[in-house]
Amino acid sequence: AQSVTQLGSHVSVSEGALVLLRCNYSSSVPPYLFWYVQYPNQGLQLLLKYTSAATLVKGINDFEAEFKKSETSFHLTKPSAHMSDAAEYFCAVSPIFSYSSASKIIFGSGTRLSIRP
Amino acid sequence: GAGVSQTPSNKVTEKGKYVELRCDPISGHTALYWYRQSLGQGPEFLIYFQGTGAADDSGLPNDRFFAVRPEGSVSTLKIQRTERGDSAVYLCASSLSEKLASTGELFFGEGSRLTVL
Repeated sequence: AQSVTQLGSHVSVSEGALVLLRCNYSSSVPPYLFWYVQYPNQGLQLLLKYTSAATLVKGINDFEAEFKKSETSFHLTKPSAHMSDAAEYFCAVSPIFSYSSASKIIFGSGTRLSIRP
Repeated sequence: GAGVSQTPSNKVTEKGKYVELRCDPISGHTALYWYRQSLGQGPEFLIYFQGTGAADDSGLPNDRFFAVRPEGSVSTLKIQRTERGDSAVYLCASSLSEKLASTGELFFGEGSRLTVL
């Protein structure tokens, strides 16, 4: 079964520091992969996605993620953290069966990102 | 509406009672998903609808849970004989199509927080 594992339930970085949130996926074939963000008292929002085009994908607010098949990873990075980045981040996977087949998105357990002033 | 609307935002009930949670998706979105998010966990898939029919209900935990979408728009998640373990945030998401949903284009509501005493 498809799944994602997020390493670290809580990550804390200083403002201006590099952000690295780790995600590894389990799949026999490369799936679609996503990062969602959940700000306090808001619904989940799609941050970025990998759908088998470029392996380095860019999202909103200078976040990016790189799909690495050899490492089965899809880590999320941002060069310089901002206080407004404090939120819960979820890695997610959607198994690809066929273009006509619907599928559900499966989420990891989440990583809470805190930013220190 | 502009976004996915879920009501009630908070529901406190007693063990054994019946509960209904409502989701009003974005106008024109044909795919509708229900997820459950327990404290410290990622969203867990419950069921999704394509139009009026439940295309995949494999995530419903047992027969106390049921969902409907009679006119292909608003959906109601129904929980019978609630148990304390049902306490969670129930998330609804919609997408313009199931294909877009599988590529991450899911729009989430803010959720309904259910507390079973």
